[in-house]
Amino acid sequence: AQSVSQHNHHVILSEAASLELGCNYSYGGTVNLFWYVQYPGQHLQLLLKYFSGDPLVKGIKGFEAEFIKSKFSFNLRKPSVQWSDTAEYFCAVTPDKLIFGTGTRLQVFP
Amino acid sequence: DAGVTQSPTHLIKTRGQHVTLRCSPISGHKSVSWYQQVLGQGPQFIFQYYEKEERGRGNFPDRFSARQFPNYSSELNVNALLLGDSALYLCASSLDFSSYNEQFFGPGTRLTVL
Repeated sequence: AQSVSQHNHHVILSEAASLELGCNYSYGGTVNLFWYVQYPGQHLQLLLKYFSGDPLVKGIKGFEAEFIKSKFSFNLRKPSVQWSDTAEYFCAVTPDKLIFGTGTRLQVFP
Repeated sequence: DAGVTQSPTHLIKTRGQHVTLRCSPISGHKSVSWYQQVLGQGPQFIFQYYEKEERGRGNFPDRFSARQFPNYSSELNVNALLLGDSALYLCASSLDFSSYNEQFFGPGTRLTVL
């Protein structure tokens, strides 16, 4: 069965620290990859997506993610986090339907 | 611009009852998908509808059903509610059913089953 694993359930950082959230998926075919973010009290919204081409994709608010096909991974990164990045982050893949990971709760302290 | 809207915001039901949740997509979007998000988990796909036809179904029992109307709005129905149905139900709309299209999520309906 297709699945998505997010290894970090809860991450606590200080402002200006670097961030990397792991995401691995299990599916042998072609997939589309997404990172969604849910800020406190807000809707799920798209952070970035990968369909094809350059495996390093840039999203909103300084986030980027790298697709490594050989590792079935799509890790999210940000060089310097801000307090406003406090949110829940979900990795998702879609061969056909959207399959989400369990999410990573990020807390950034000033 | 109006985003995806869902009603009601919150709902409390008792076991065995039936519930109907409603979703209005973004104007111009013809596909609606439903997800269940249990506390501490990511959203789980329930249904996708496009042009009033079911295009995909997740691993949910037959107690769950949905439909899409000519104006592309959608209803999710759950019969014979169980305690385990307590969750946030999310609706997402997209231009069509292609997996390349971004899905835009609504605020969700929080269902509590007592």
